[in-house]
Amino acid sequence: AQTVTQSQPEMSVQEAETVTLSCTYDTSESDYYLFWYKQPPSRQMILVIRQEAYKQQNATENRFSVNFQKAAKSFSLKISDSQLGDTAMYFCAFMKHGNFNKFYFGSGTKLNVKP
Amino acid sequence: EPEVTQTPSHQVTQMGQEVILRCVPISNHLYFYWYRQILGQKVEFLVSFYNNEISEKSEIFDDQFSVERPDGSNFTLKIRSTKLEDSAMYFCASSEYHKYEQYFGPGTRLTVT
Repeated sequence: AQTVTQSQPEMSVQEAETVTLSCTYDTSESDYYLFWYKQPPSRQMILVIRQEAYKQQNATENRFSVNFQKAAKSFSLKISDSQLGDTAMYFCAFMKHGNFNKFYFGSGTKLNVKP
Repeated sequence: EPEVTQTPSHQVTQMGQEVILRCVPISNHLYFYWYRQILGQKVEFLVSFYNNEISEKSEIFDDQFSVERPDGSNFTLKIRSTKLEDSAMYFCASSEYHKYEQYFGPGTRLTVT
């Protein structure tokens, strides 16, 4: 079975600063995908960034980047130049390769960006 | 940009009643999903649906639950006889054929009293 753990229930960061959200996972699979989803208050979850396990290069999307450590089963999200609009719940998620079915989600980290 | 929509946003029902939660996935998507999140807990997978049949379901998805795509646009989750522990946020999602990204709806908050 796959498990995803987010050990930081809540974090705060000042606007324009950098913050890192942690995620670890446990799996016996060798090929899989990892995702970070963002859920703003009262809004739907939207994809922030995706990482394929077979790729060594860390994914980057504008101000969002990941630190993927496959051996350590760690997948952290770094948000640079934090903006007020980044305030949201952030979920780390795992999906097995070839399984277009389900995500395994972490419990989420609530990020507050302060002016 | 196309979005997944869900109705109602909040449903209150009495224990033992049947509820139907409705979702309109993105029109060209072929995979459909339901997840739920009990307050303070993880988002949990319930069921996935493809080609008019369930492709996978979790142990949560027992005989009290059913899904249906009654027409070309709606995707519904029915709970036949609700229990207090069914109180949760229910999220619908959809994805394109053989694509990993799932697009989520805003959720329906179900409160069972």
